[in-house]
Amino acid sequence: EPEVTQTPSHQVTQMGQEVILRCVPISNHLYFYWYRQILGQKVEFLVSFYNNEISEKSEIFDDQFSVERPDGSNFTLKIRSTKLEDSAMYFCASSEDGGGKLFFGSGTQLSVL
Amino acid sequence: DAKTTQPPSMDCAEGRAANLPCNHSTISGNEYVYWYRQIHSQGPQYIIHGLKNNETNEMASLIITEDRKSSTLILPHATLRDTAVYYCIVRGRNDYKLSFGAGTTVTVRA
Repeated sequence: EPEVTQTPSHQVTQMGQEVILRCVPISNHLYFYWYRQILGQKVEFLVSFYNNEISEKSEIFDDQFSVERPDGSNFTLKIRSTKLEDSAMYFCASSEDGGGKLFFGSGTQLSVL
Repeated sequence: DAKTTQPPSMDCAEGRAANLPCNHSTISGNEYVYWYRQIHSQGPQYIIHGLKNNETNEMASLIITEDRKSSTLILPHATLRDTAVYYCIVRGRNDYKLSFGAGTTVTVRA
């Protein structure tokens, strides 16, 4: 079964550093998403992306965050200057048609020290 | 801003049916009910969704009341691997995001 792939599985960084989290969505999917989950808390929506532009973003997704689809297969989340509170599991997801059936990756655990 | 209410936890015996309730009394006409689950700290996994008719797939059945104010997810024969947090989510047809609440922690016991 096709799956969403995320790399790395773990990322440790120093506060103030830039990080890029990478995702390979399912190949025929057109809608892409990032969610995050701080330890012990709810899964939170960050951003959705379609047709090479952001279609919706949450208040969490401020100017420190950006997304990009640099080629036909990758979808990235960049955090420009990481803060301690950015420590979380970050999930990438994709959907074929923009409906609510999303396929999630296994996540990148980001630890900001 | 979750629009659903679920019990925080429930236990189920292995091999028995698990019935997970969800209240969504403010659901509007164009909003669907989605169910996802999250096993340990893995990514959420889609289970099933419906608008007003009951739905069944290889994983579960979804029963939606006639007034659409509540629904029940049924896992017909729970296994230990079904132990997870189950999320009931209401989403509009034209929405992009899924709003996850706290969900129901289901523990299947041998």
